[in-house]
Amino acid sequence: DAGVTQSPTHLIKTRGQQVTLRCSPKSGHDTVSWYQQALGQGPQFIFQYYEEEERQRGNFPDRFSGHQFPNYSSELNVNALLLGDSALYLCASSQRRGANYGYTFGSGTRLTVV
Amino acid sequence: AQSVTQLDSQVPVFEEAPVELRCNYSSSVSVYLFWYVQYPNQGLQLLLKYLSGSTLVESINGFEAEFNKSQTSFHLRKPSVHISDTAEYFCAVSERASGTYKYIFGTGTRLKVLA
Repeated sequence: DAGVTQSPTHLIKTRGQQVTLRCSPKSGHDTVSWYQQALGQGPQFIFQYYEEEERQRGNFPDRFSGHQFPNYSSELNVNALLLGDSALYLCASSQRRGANYGYTFGSGTRLTVV
Repeated sequence: AQSVTQLDSQVPVFEEAPVELRCNYSSSVSVYLFWYVQYPNQGLQLLLKYLSGSTLVESINGFEAEFNKSQTSFHLRKPSVHISDTAEYFCAVSERASGTYKYIFGTGTRLKVLA
């Protein structure tokens, strides 16, 4: 049974560009959350999707947007990249019903903005 | 909003020695607490969780954590560490909104087990 799958694993982009990161949740999970983990920091909540809608959002600018598809997979888009967007982006899935039992995390996408 | 404080950014300890990683959270009516572990170049793995019931919770690899409501703490302990326990450990608290939960993480504690 596959866990959470994220692609790509590594990415290098130039400042000002746009990037799309992808996530497939664990089988049976319907809720996807995205986190940004800067070097040496804990994960910071970006947003959460359920039933193809953004349900919660953290303190991130509108440059960060997302989408959830009918098969529960999700994308994170970041526009107008800044150097400070360099981080490990983690996708986590859960079941909305019983969602407080903890997330299953993917291995992340390491984004480097130069 | 809830918050989590992990005061120790790094904890070096010799193999087979005991260890305690500290975690304090902001008070709330209902508290759900978690410890996650992150190995190098990997995502986070759930180590253990406290939802309700017994205040002492255990993981399958010998870690335990105790929920202390009066001290708003959820410290992680292991009586004897192994080299393989070297990793970053994150304490998290869940916050309910819009019918679902999000998790708020501390800044992490890097555990380094020395031979």
